[in-house]
Amino acid sequence: GDSVTQKQGQVTLSEDDFLFINCTYSTTTYPTLLWYVQYPGQGPQLLLKVTTANNKGISRGFEATYDKGTTSFHLQKASVQESDSAVYFCALVRTGGYKVVFGSGTRLLVSP
Amino acid sequence: ETAVFQTPNYHVTQVGNEVSFNCKQTLGHDTMYWYKQDSKKLLKIMFSYNNKQLIVNETVPRRFSPQSSDKAHLNLRIKSVEPEDSAVYLCASSYSYEQYFGPGTRLTVL
Repeated sequence: GDSVTQKQGQVTLSEDDFLFINCTYSTTTYPTLLWYVQYPGQGPQLLLKVTTANNKGISRGFEATYDKGTTSFHLQKASVQESDSAVYFCALVRTGGYKVVFGSGTRLLVSP
Repeated sequence: ETAVFQTPNYHVTQVGNEVSFNCKQTLGHDTMYWYKQDSKKLLKIMFSYNNKQLIVNETVPRRFSPQSSDKAHLNLRIKSVEPEDSAVYLCASSYSYEQYFGPGTRLTVL
């Protein structure tokens, strides 16, 4: 079945540091790849998406590039802020489908 | 306001009791979901409904039962709670791949 792997349970940075969160996936279909962000006390919300057609998603300074060769979809941001502290979930959904497969999440802590 | 609403925010109960959680979405979506999120933030899908029809029923204990009166409402009942049911229960709705989540109901079983 489809799966998503996030190996980093927690990432701790200082403001203005570069962010890199690792995500790899496994599927037999052409997926739409997603990053969700969950702030404290809230449900997850969609941060960005990438399809096989456009390869890169950009939103709010975050970006992720779909790499079919390495089946990866890493999340990056050039300069993090304290307000970016949250849990980030990598996910995939089969193109045309509705069931989202979530990774285990990576908690980002940014200190001022 | 268009969003996903959940009640209650918190619920504390004892082992063996019955609890019910409510979810309403005003986004006009056809599909709704229940997720369980544990203390490590792991998200696990439990049920999915499309236009009041159950379409996904993951392996969950039989004491959990969803109910949908119309496509805007999806409730969750737990007949006899166990300590391992302590978690945050998240409701979501969608029209395609993007799921919109409510703020969750935190259940604590003593």
